[in-house]
Amino acid sequence: GAVVSQHPSWVICKSGTSVKIECRSLDFQATTMFWYRQFPKQSLMLMATSNEGSKATYEQGVEKDKFLINHASLTLSTLTVTSAHPEDSSFYICSVGQGLQYEQYFGPGTRLTVT
Amino acid sequence: DAKTTQPTSMDCAEGRAANLPCNHSTISGNEYVYWYRQIHSQGPQYIIHGLKNNETNEMASLIITEDRKSSTLILPHATLRDTAVYYCIVRVAYSGNTPLVFGKGTRLSVIA
Repeated sequence: GAVVSQHPSWVICKSGTSVKIECRSLDFQATTMFWYRQFPKQSLMLMATSNEGSKATYEQGVEKDKFLINHASLTLSTLTVTSAHPEDSSFYICSVGQGLQYEQYFGPGTRLTVT
Repeated sequence: DAKTTQPTSMDCAEGRAANLPCNHSTISGNEYVYWYRQIHSQGPQYIIHGLKNNETNEMASLIITEDRKSSTLILPHATLRDTAVYYCIVRVAYSGNTPLVFGKGTRLSVIA
């Protein structure tokens, strides 16, 4: 299966600052990438879907101006959390997919703590 | 995607088979049953998927009832490393450009 990496694996930032999380598909051309977040003891919640070269599609309730997603290439997508607040502290996970694949491949996740 | 129902939690003794049930009574004819698991603080991992026949791979077996309204994931010899949350998801296969929708899953605890 595809190998997906995320960087950083964990990050601590101060309230009001921005933080960028990278998702790389190392050996798989990902036409589509997905971003999820997961709060403690809860399931994964889809935040947005991005297709290479297109604007991301955000799920209801996810602020597109706060969570900026860029999918500029088939191997890289970035999620920028702008003006972070403590309630943005969560586990962020990306996954990659391709139209005719039956499986989605997930990154290891990035734990964000906003102080 | 059709909705699934799973028990909240299960325990299993190490070395024994773990049988994780899933109900998906509203599954459509073109939807497959997928299983993923998430070990604590890691990304989800694909386990297995199937349409209507039983499936087996190096990780697990998937038993789907004839009416396809329920299924069971079987870990034949559970180890401590199998402790995780297991998610049963139904979706159209070969649709990698549509997202997986996760329910609450079953928290499996393998006990020594």
